[in-house]
Amino acid sequence: DADVTQTPRNRITKTGKRIMLECSQTKGHDRMYWYRQDPGLGLQLIYYSFDVKDINKGEISDGYSVSRQAQAKFSLSLESAIPNQTALYFCATSDSKPPYNEQFFGPGTRLTVL
Amino acid sequence: AQSVTQLGSHVSVSEGALVLLRCNYSSSVPPYLFWYVQYPNQGLQLLLKYTSAATLVKGINGFEAEFKKSETSFHLTKPSAHMSDAAEYFCAVRKGGNQGGKLIFGQGTELSVKP
Repeated sequence: DADVTQTPRNRITKTGKRIMLECSQTKGHDRMYWYRQDPGLGLQLIYYSFDVKDINKGEISDGYSVSRQAQAKFSLSLESAIPNQTALYFCATSDSKPPYNEQFFGPGTRLTVL
Repeated sequence: AQSVTQLGSHVSVSEGALVLLRCNYSSSVPPYLFWYVQYPNQGLQLLLKYTSAATLVKGINGFEAEFKKSETSFHLTKPSAHMSDAAEYFCAVRKGGNQGGKLIFGQGTELSVKP
């Protein structure tokens, strides 16, 4: 079984709809991250959480919100989806032991907003 | 502030040829650097990481990267390309201080391998 799972893998929705993307991990890591990937822009950090009670905005948090339900679960919500939120979304985890903090990624969710 | 620049959004090589993907970083502290690979329709997978133990780092699938402080570079190489190497490659630097654990990614380089 995969260590970091994301659901759904693909989603098509309409402008104005509320969408939730879910991420679960079995790696036992404290830290979790949400990124979006757009062609030519690499990965941009949306939100990150260093533990259940610590949630922080990343570089592009506008229009998004998150919930850390448990150590293993981190959800990303689009309250009112708009077409420019069409992208590939990745969840990642890392442990809290310095200094390397390498991140482990889920398979991604492809979101299309019409 | 840390940053990463990958030179070339697309690189094309012939099967069996040398692969060279370029990455330059900017960091005010000793950097921790990573190369990730993304195969089509998959998430990112760690290829290798620089952790200051050795300047030449070997990774999976025959890839290696050399950390050159004087050039602020961490280029990725493979002596002989294989068709299965076709993918997108991302260089990343770890942020330090109270931002520790966050990664800053380059824009990515798509590698094509011609038969």
